[in-house]
Amino acid sequence: EADIYQTPRYLVIGTGKKITLECSQTMGHDKMYWYQQDPGMELHLIHYSYGVNSTEKGDLSSESTVSRIRTEHFPLTLESARPSHTSQYLCASNSQGEASPLHFGNGTRLTVT
Amino acid sequence: GQQVMQIPQYQHVQEGEDFTTYCNSSTTLSNIQWYKQRPGGHPVFLIQLVKSGEVKKQKRLTFQFGEAKKNSSLHITATQTTDVGTYFCAGPPTGGYQKVTFGTGTKLQVIP
Repeated sequence: EADIYQTPRYLVIGTGKKITLECSQTMGHDKMYWYQQDPGMELHLIHYSYGVNSTEKGDLSSESTVSRIRTEHFPLTLESARPSHTSQYLCASNSQGEASPLHFGNGTRLTVT
Repeated sequence: GQQVMQIPQYQHVQEGEDFTTYCNSSTTLSNIQWYKQRPGGHPVFLIQLVKSGEVKKQKRLTFQFGEAKKNSSLHITATQTTDVGTYFCAGPPTGGYQKVTFGTGTKLQVIP
């Protein structure tokens, strides 16, 4: 059913490791987003992209970085993971236009030990 | 920056009772969207409202968009255990359609 795919689904890594969370969508959407969400809590926008070669920081400051080299692909990278990065990361996309709903991936649950 | 608050934060209801969550934005919204997130899942789009004062229904769910386009509500009639989850409103501010800000969410628990 999902048209937006995130890998891995779960990730447990040690402090200091570099990680990349993958997000791909097959809907041809121009706009893509990364949200960070602690269990049962709010969704915080950390990055978004209008299209290829466009990236912007969201409302919540994050040490992660993103890239948008292809329309369908919007990976998120943490150069040096810390326990404070433990959270769920949700990728979403939507098409152009003000009233376009967001489609979410299943998320990556990251634990940094 | 834009803030979107929802009340209540948590709600426990007996199955069959009604439930309402309220969404208030600090800025005027171009549209309001509602999402449902089941425990352990990801947010799933329910509906969007665009016009001032708009009311839409989906079976037992009724959605309203305020006249000033700064608030919205979701009302569920006769809750069922399948309604369990967290309900989020979301919307871009007028003129800022690139960024969708989510509300703080209301977690609904239905007691059978």
